[in-house]
Amino acid sequence: DTGVSQDPRHKITKRGQNVTFRCDPISEHNRLYWYRQTLGQGPEFLTYFQNEAQLEKSRLLSDRFSAERPKGSFSTLEIQRTEQGDSAMYLCASSLLIGDWNAGELFFGEGSRLTVL
Amino acid sequence: AQKVTQAQTEISVVEKEDVTLDCVYETRDTTYYLFWYKQPPSGELVFLIRRNSFDEQNEISGRYSWNFQKSTSSFNFTITASQVVDSAVYFCALSEAMGGATNKLIFGTGTLLAVQP
Repeated sequence: DTGVSQDPRHKITKRGQNVTFRCDPISEHNRLYWYRQTLGQGPEFLTYFQNEAQLEKSRLLSDRFSAERPKGSFSTLEIQRTEQGDSAMYLCASSLLIGDWNAGELFFGEGSRLTVL
Repeated sequence: AQKVTQAQTEISVVEKEDVTLDCVYETRDTTYYLFWYKQPPSGELVFLIRRNSFDEQNEISGRYSWNFQKSTSSFNFTITASQVVDSAVYFCALSEAMGGATNKLIFGTGTLLAVQP
């Protein structure tokens, strides 16, 4: 399977614990995105990378959240001191930047579902 | 501000009926992209189509067709002869292109389509 893969698929944690999610994008894709989806809502943009550079962060990304893409391949999203409001599906997506005005088609992984008790 | 509205929260049809999912968007950008994604119960967002704002041609792909009308800021999606496997949540999304291409998508709240046998 050469799609976007995410790990773990499900994570249950207690409030105050730290969690980390991993995303492996489609291999040739230079852009990687993180989105968050809560029940009954559409995904919301969190942040994105071009290669290893983090180009933009949403206001939704509080200082408890940190994302990295150290070698321009896989990415991690860490949430420190989790709160119940962090419970959501965390989606990773990737695309190939084709030109200045063409970000390419965006392909999503299956997501990592976080439940904070 | 950019916004995507999917006014239909839920639609229920009987197999073989045609169904149209509505999408209305707001943007001040002159260059943008519109998307449709399908999210089956498994949770993965499946890419269906991406349309550039300069291309108003309607598109047909098998049983799927899309009607893009800039005059009414709409990008509607029609499934012809619906099947049970079409049951899913469908999301319409918008991305800006000014300042460089980006896949920072603004999603609607989705339409849950239930196709009854």
